[in-house]
Amino acid sequence: ETGVTQTPRHLVMGMTNKKSLKCEQHLGHNAMYWYKQSAKKPLELMFVYSLEERVENNSVPSRFSPECPNSSHLFLHLHTLQPEDSALYLCASSQDSGGWYIQYFGAGTRLSVL
Amino acid sequence: AQKVTQAQTEISVVEKEDVTLDCVYETRDTTYYLFWYKQPPSGELVFLIRRNSFDEQNEISGRYSWNFQKSTSSFNFTITASQVVDSAVYFCALSEGDNYGQNFVFGPGTRLSVLP
Repeated sequence: ETGVTQTPRHLVMGMTNKKSLKCEQHLGHNAMYWYKQSAKKPLELMFVYSLEERVENNSVPSRFSPECPNSSHLFLHLHTLQPEDSALYLCASSQDSGGWYIQYFGAGTRLSVL
Repeated sequence: AQKVTQAQTEISVVEKEDVTLDCVYETRDTTYYLFWYKQPPSGELVFLIRRNSFDEQNEISGRYSWNFQKSTSSFNFTITASQVVDSAVYFCALSEGDNYGQNFVFGPGTRLSVLP
């Protein structure tokens, strides 16, 4: 069983749809992250959760809504997305949320917005 | 603000050649951490190494070695006797102190192609 699992692996949605991305970590970590990876930009940190509380929101549009019901699960709820939101969305977890801690990544969800 | 530069966008080598991937960083903190990750075609970023700013000792792990030089703000990565399985995108990253992970900044990545 891999440490960080993301579902679905691929998602195609229209601009008026609502969908959710799911991330689950089996490493006993306390911090979880969402990143966006576009074709022409470096990895962008979107959200950080530590002990189920959001500690960072990097000016992400409100059409992205994260949820962390417990330390093992993280969701990214999507609604009324734009074509420029098409990207690879990566989830990561770390033992704690300090800068020293290694982040372990899932394989990502490849999102296409039509 | 911190920044990570990986000037090499793409590198192609023939199998068994040595290859060095460059990473230059900027930070105002005296306490910081440097990382290298590998992203194969499957998409998952795989952790390779972590270094803290107080430890300039170079490291070798099998065919991989890292050269950390604070004087030039560089943390370069060398693969010796490259193999086709090394083909991937390699990311250098920087994190500053106890910042709750929100300043984990990645470089743009270097795409390495190892040809048989």
